[in-house]
Amino acid sequence: AQTVTQSQPEMSVQEAETVTLSCTYDTSENNYYLFWYKQPPSRQMILVIRQEAYKQQNATENRFSVNFQKAAKSFSLKISDSQLGDTAMYFCAFIPPGANSKLTFGKGITLSVRP
Amino acid sequence: NAGVTQTPKFRVLKTGQSMTLLCAQDMNHEYMYWYRQDPGMGLRLIHYSVGEGTTAKGEVPDGYNVSRLKKQNFLLGLESAAPSQTSVYFCASNRAEANYGYTFGSGTRLTVV
Repeated sequence: AQTVTQSQPEMSVQEAETVTLSCTYDTSENNYYLFWYKQPPSRQMILVIRQEAYKQQNATENRFSVNFQKAAKSFSLKISDSQLGDTAMYFCAFIPPGANSKLTFGKGITLSVRP
Repeated sequence: NAGVTQTPKFRVLKTGQSMTLLCAQDMNHEYMYWYRQDPGMGLRLIHYSVGEGTTAKGEVPDGYNVSRLKKQNFLLGLESAAPSQTSVYFCASNRAEANYGYTFGSGTRLTVV
């Protein structure tokens, strides 16, 4: 069974600074997909970024980028130039390929951006 | 574009009452899911469906039932609500290729008193 671990329950960052959120996972699969979801106070789950395990290049979406270390089974999210609107809970998630695969989530981390 | 719509958004139930949460998607997705979110627990899968007329148990199925009579709808039922079912419930859907992640509804906050 796959597990996703987010060991930091809370983090805080000053506006305009950079913050990194950690995530590790455990799987015996060689090919899989990793995601970061953002959940602002509105409760909506928003897909932030996606990484394919067979791709060496780290995914980037504007101010959001990942550091994907496949051998270490690590998938951290870096937020650059933090904005007040980045205040949210962030979930790391994993899914192996296959028709009946399900998304497995970490417990989440609450990020607060200070003005 | 509606995406995934959940109704109701909020509900308070008394212990022992029953209710049904409705999830509707307009993206012609094959797969649909029900998750519950509790503080410090992340999102845990309750039940899921891989197509019309099919359902399967997830990680925490006890106390819940589901039905997928139409492809676009996935219903979550609580037959006899318990305080332990106080949670935020999310519905999600995706096409058969799940590698692009799920599309989520906006959630239902359920309180059982």
